[in-house]
Amino acid sequence: GNSVTQMEGPVTLSEEAFLTINCTYTATGYPSLFWYVQYPGEGLQLLLKATKADDKGSNKGFEATYRKETTSFHLEKGSVQVSDSAVYFCALSPFDGNQFYFGTGTSLTVIP
Amino acid sequence: GAVVSQHPSRVICKSGTSVKIECRSLDFQATTMFWYRQFPKQSLMLMATSNEGSKATYEQGVEKDKFLINHASLTLSTLTVTSAHPEDSSFYICSARVPRVLGYTFGSGTRLTVV
Repeated sequence: GNSVTQMEGPVTLSEEAFLTINCTYTATGYPSLFWYVQYPGEGLQLLLKATKADDKGSNKGFEATYRKETTSFHLEKGSVQVSDSAVYFCALSPFDGNQFYFGTGTSLTVIP
Repeated sequence: GAVVSQHPSRVICKSGTSVKIECRSLDFQATTMFWYRQFPKQSLMLMATSNEGSKATYEQGVEKDKFLINHASLTLSTLTVTSAHPEDSSFYICSARVPRVLGYTFGSGTRLTVV
């Protein structure tokens, strides 16, 4: 079956610290992988995605690489800002479908 | 960009009452909308898929008589939690596929608390 396991939070970092949020998945076939972000009071927004193995998604200084050998899609950012405080969701979508399978979400708070 | 507006953002209701959650696509037509639910410390789980003008498709284990979904127009889908109980307290969020774009947009979610 399809599932996503995501690093539990909450995570609190100082500004300019390095961020890693771990995400691993199980899937049948060849899924697409996503990171969504939810800022307070807003909907989930697509942060980045990768559709095949070894692809790297990147946006707003965040990066994640689709690693088929380790079934992982870890989110990284070299220097976080206060404005990055949000909840981050890892997700996969099977090759054939509309459905998303989400992780539990990781709450990130960045303090000045 | 494509936006889905979801209301209310928070609602507290008494056991036995019904609550309606609305999702509106503001600048596009959504023929299909998805409803998700998240219990504390658990994943967002797909509850049902609603298609404009036809019956919703529910995921296994979701009671269709309890969670009524109506998708009567191309811009509005509603989820009604009927005869709510405390165990229905959860975070509900809708999503819509954006036409001509290989992507989805999400509402801001509704935090339901049943007391």
